[in-house]
Amino acid sequence: DIVMTQSPDSLAVSLGERATINCKSSQTILYSSNNKDYLAWYQQKPGQPPKLLIFWASTRESGVPDRFSASGSGTDFTLTISSLQAEDVAVYYCQQHYTTPRTFGQGTKVEIK
Amino acid sequence: QVHLVQSGAELKKPGSSVTVSCTASGGTFSSYTLSWVRQAPGQGLEWMAEIIPIFDTATYAQKFQGRLTLTTDGSTTSAYMELTGLTSEDSAMYYCAREAPNGDYFDSWGQGTLVTVSS
Repeated sequence: DIVMTQSPDSLAVSLGERATINCKSSQTILYSSNNKDYLAWYQQKPGQPPKLLIFWASTRESGVPDRFSASGSGTDFTLTISSLQAEDVAVYYCQQHYTTPRTFGQGTKVEIK
Repeated sequence: QVHLVQSGAELKKPGSSVTVSCTASGGTFSSYTLSWVRQAPGQGLEWMAEIIPIFDTATYAQKFQGRLTLTTDGSTTSAYMELTGLTSEDSAMYYCAREAPNGDYFDSWGQGTLVTVSS
C-alpha cells in the first residue's frame, strides 16, 4: 500500500497569512503514460463530509477559491492557502488516487492564530 | 448534478451486521466508480472498497476482506455496503463517494451515515 504522510499535524496561522501543508507518498504517484500526478487534496469542516479542492496534484476543482493552490510531483506535494480566511479553518487531507487501496494522509488541522 | 444521499444513523450490537445505502439523487451513478470511506470519531479517512455499478464488480481493502460486501440494486441508482462481525472499532461515520471518471479522485460525497456499535 502507498503510505501518505502529511506535515505538520496542525498549524495555527494569522488571518491573511500563508498556510502551507506538505504531503509525501511512500512511492511515486506520477503516472508516466500521461505525466500526471494522482494526488488530491480535500478540506473537511466539522460535521461535514470532505470536499474536493485539488486533483492531479495542482488542478483546482471548479468553485474553489484561487487562494488555494497546490504543487509537487513524484512523491512530494504541497497545498498552500495564500491568505488564510476564517472559513478555511478545517482539516486538510491529501490522498493518492493512483491505485487501490486509495490512501489518505493523516490530516492537517488548520486553525487561526 | 448528481447528489449522493445515504441512509440514516444505525445503532448495532457487537457481532451483528449493518447495511448502509447510497442513492444517486437527480440522476444515476452512470459509469462512475463508487467508493466507501469511513472515519472513526476524531480520526482520519480510511478507504474501504469500491464498486463499479454497471459491472457490479468490487475491490476491497485487505483489512475488510471477508466481512465487507458492496452491492447495487441492479441499476445505477443505489449502492449498498454491508459490514458484518461488528465490533466497537467499527463505530464510525461511513461515507460513499463518487470517483471522477477521468482520474479516480472523489468529486462528490454522501452526507455520511453514523454507525455506532455498542452493547
